[in-house]
Amino acid sequence: KNEVEQSPQNLTAQEGEFITINCSYSVGISALHWLQQHPGGGIVSLFMLSSGKKKHGRLIATINIQEKHSSLHITASHPRDSAVYICAVPNTDKLIFGTGTRLQVFP
Amino acid sequence: AAGVIQSPRHLIKEKRETATLKCYPIPRHDTVYWYQQGPGQDPQFLISFYEKMQSDKGSIPDRFSAQQFSDYHSELNMSSLELGDSALYFCASSPDRGHLNEQFFGPGTRLTVL
Repeated sequence: KNEVEQSPQNLTAQEGEFITINCSYSVGISALHWLQQHPGGGIVSLFMLSSGKKKHGRLIATINIQEKHSSLHITASHPRDSAVYICAVPNTDKLIFGTGTRLQVFP
Repeated sequence: AAGVIQSPRHLIKEKRETATLKCYPIPRHDTVYWYQQGPGQDPQFLISFYEKMQSDKGSIPDRFSAQQFSDYHSELNMSSLELGDSALYFCASSPDRGHLNEQFFGPGTRLTVL
């Protein structure tokens, strides 16, 4: 069993839909990272959170440390949101990555 | 704002050749991480450095070595390249060690071994 699991693995949506990506982890952590990887390959850090909720534009990330679960929400999705979204947790300080959720948003 | 710089961005090598990948962290970041992402795979941790000393080691083959220099840039040296080494190699930097520090990723170096 992977230490970090994401669902769904693949997600398609119509422009404007509300998107939710889930991440569950089995290790004790102090913070969790949400990353975005575009088809070109570059990785961008979206959020690092250790409790509660963070919001940046149309992106919202929540975490429940007790339940070892985090969600990434995208409101009013847009085709440019199409990417792989990766949840990662620190082990000492290196990151362990989830398998990623491939999101495609169609116009 | 300055970001993490990696060079080269693309590299093509033949089997058994050597390759050197470079990473220039964000200014004043003293911690560097190297990750390897194979085709269709999630990134895997290779090695990290803090203040020019190796701080952690992951699934890095013995054929690979790395170091961090006095200006905090890091180089990943890969010898006796194998086809399976073809991957995207990411470097990330952080202002300090520790769980609560955000890691900032470079654009990656795509290595193709023929």
